[in-house]
Order: sequence, then structure tokens, then C-alpha cells
Amino acid sequence: AQSVAQPEDQVNVAEGNPLTVKCTYSVSGNPYLFWYVQYPNRGLQFLLKYITGDNLVKGSYGFEAEFNKSQTSFHLKKPSALVSDSALYFCAVRDVEYGNKLVFGAGTILRVKS
Amino acid sequence: DGGITQSPKYLFRKEGQNVTLSCEQNLNHDAMYWYRQDPGQGLRLIYYSQIVNDFQKGDIAEGYSVSREKKESFPLTVTSAQKNPTAFYLCASSMGQGAYYEQYFGPGTRLTVT
Repeated sequence: AQSVAQPEDQVNVAEGNPLTVKCTYSVSGNPYLFWYVQYPNRGLQFLLKYITGDNLVKGSYGFEAEFNKSQTSFHLKKPSALVSDSALYFCAVRDVEYGNKLVFGAGTILRVKS
Repeated sequence: DGGITQSPKYLFRKEGQNVTLSCEQNLNHDAMYWYRQDPGQGLRLIYYSQIVNDFQKGDIAEGYSVSREKKESFPLTVTSAQKNPTAFYLCASSMGQGAYYEQYFGPGTRLTVT
């Protein structure tokens, strides 16, 4: 079965500094990877996805993610963090063996301090 | 939260009562999903539907039921058989069931059963 792991429950970063939220995956076949963000008591918002092609994927709100096949990672990055980026971030992978459902990681809380 | 609406935002019920959560989308998407979110556990798939009048069980379907009589609507019923129904419920939709399609989420319904 496909799975993703987010090894950090929480990431703390100062405003203006670069941020990284980590995600590793385990799949059989080609990976279809996604990042979502959730603000308190809200639904999830799609940030970006990797399907094929360039290893650096650019998404919404200045976020980008780097796909690394050898390390089976798909880390979310932003060059300069904003306080408003503070939220819960989810990495997800499509399970192509089970109706293409999304399998989510447990989530990482990002706190950006001014 | 795009073109997906969920109502109500907060719902309170007594134990032993069935309750139906509404999900409507105006995105003309074929596929719709229901997830349950509990603290620290990410999202877990309850049911999904690829087309009208068809749906499949997800990972935690016991105690839940759905219907898909119209393309834009995918209501979820939480029955009295669900042992621990208190949670945040999220509805999502995607253009298709293909692995490359991202899912778009509604704002969620927080259900509390006492």
C-alpha cells in the first residue's frame, strides 16, 4: 500500500527565514504527490502536486516542493516565511492500487514567529 | 474552499441518533469524497463516489452511509452504529478519479455527539 510520512509534528521558523516541511513516501510504481494546507476549523487548500517532469514544483502562495526519487522525499519549501503561513500542512499520495484515493500523512504544524 | 459547500458548520447530536451531513459542489466534478479528521491522525477516507449512483467504501466506512443521486450532491449519514462519531468531517471533489487530479475540499462540519 502507498503511504507518506511527515516526520515532524511541528516546525518553528522565524519570519523571513526559509522554511522546509518534510515528507517521505512509499509507493509501488510512479508517485503522484500532493501538498495541502489547513487553517484552523477550515477545509484543506491545495498547494501543489507532482505528477511527472521537473523535480521542482511551484505552487500557490510562493510555496514550492522538491521531488527526490532516490530519497523518496517530497519536501515543501518557501524561501521567506510569513506569519500568515502558520497552519497545518499535509502531504498526500495517490494510491493507484486502490481507486486512486488520497493517502494523507499525519500533518505538520508550521509556526512562523515575528 | 472553492465551489464546495458543507452544512451545517457545527452539529450537535445525542448518542443513538442518526445525522446527515450535507455536501454540495458546483464545480461539475465527477468524483466526490468524504473524510474524517481526528487530531493527530490526518484524514481518513470514509466513502467515495466516481459517478452518480455509484459509491465505494473507504478505509473506515463502518457506521456510515452515503448516496449519490445527483452529480452535485453527496450526503453522508452518520448512524448510531458509528462508535465514535465526534470528529471533523470534510467533503471533497475532483474532476475525475485519475491519479493526477487534485481534490478540492469544503469547509467541513464539526460533529459533536454526546
